[in-house]
Amino acid sequence: GAVVSQHPSWVICKSGTSVKIECRSLDFQATTMFWYRQFPKQSLMLMATSNEGSKATYEQGVEKDKFLINHASLTLSTLTVTSAHPEDSSFYICSARVDRLDYGYTFGSGTRLTVV
Amino acid sequence: DAKTTQPPSMDCAEGRAANLPCNHSTISGNEYVYWYRQIHSQGPQYIIHGLKNNETNEMASLIITEDRKSSTLILPHATLRDTAVYYCIVRVERTSYGKLTFGQGTILTVHP
Repeated sequence: GAVVSQHPSWVICKSGTSVKIECRSLDFQATTMFWYRQFPKQSLMLMATSNEGSKATYEQGVEKDKFLINHASLTLSTLTVTSAHPEDSSFYICSARVDRLDYGYTFGSGTRLTVV
Repeated sequence: DAKTTQPPSMDCAEGRAANLPCNHSTISGNEYVYWYRQIHSQGPQYIIHGLKNNETNEMASLIITEDRKSSTLILPHATLRDTAVYYCIVRVERTSYGKLTFGQGTILTVHP
C-alpha cells in the first residue's frame, strides 16, 4: 500500500498561538496533497490542494493567511494554523495522490486540534 | 463529479451482511463508483471501486445495477469493527486526479 504518516494525532493549544501539522509519505513520492477539515458529525470538507514546489490552491472561504500550507518536498506537507481560535478546533486530515494505486488516494490518520 | 445519495444511517447485527445503498442517477459513462469508510477519529479508508461490473475484494463486494444509477456495498459478515461512516463517491478514475469530494455518507452501526 501507500502510507501517509500524520502528526500529531492530537494537540491542544492556547488561543492566539500557532500549530503545525505534518504529513509525510513513507513509501512513495506525494506530488499532490490535499488537506481536509472535519467538524463533529459533519463530513470532510476540502480546505486546499498543494503541489510540491508550488503554492497551494485554497477552496472558497478558506483563509490562506490563516492556514499556511507548505509542500516543499515530495515526502512532506505541512499545515500551520496561525493565531488559532476556538472555532478552529476541528479534525484535520491530509490525503495524498498516489499514482501507483488505481483508486488514487491515501489518507493520514488525522489530527484532533483543540484550541482553548 | 456526479452527486450521490445515501441513507443517513443503518443498523446491522454482528455476523450478518450489511448492505449499504447508494444512488447516483446522474453518473456519466466514464465515472467510477468508489467506497470509503471512516472509523471514528481516523482518516478515511478505501474499500472498493468499480465501473459497471460487480467487484469483490477481501473487504467487501460492490454490486452496480445494469443502468449504473445505483450501487450497493456489501459487507458479508459485519463485525463491531465495521461500525463507521461509509462514503459513496462517483468520479472519473486515474486520469483525473483532482479533489475527492465527500458527501454526508451512511453511519453504519453494527450491534452485538
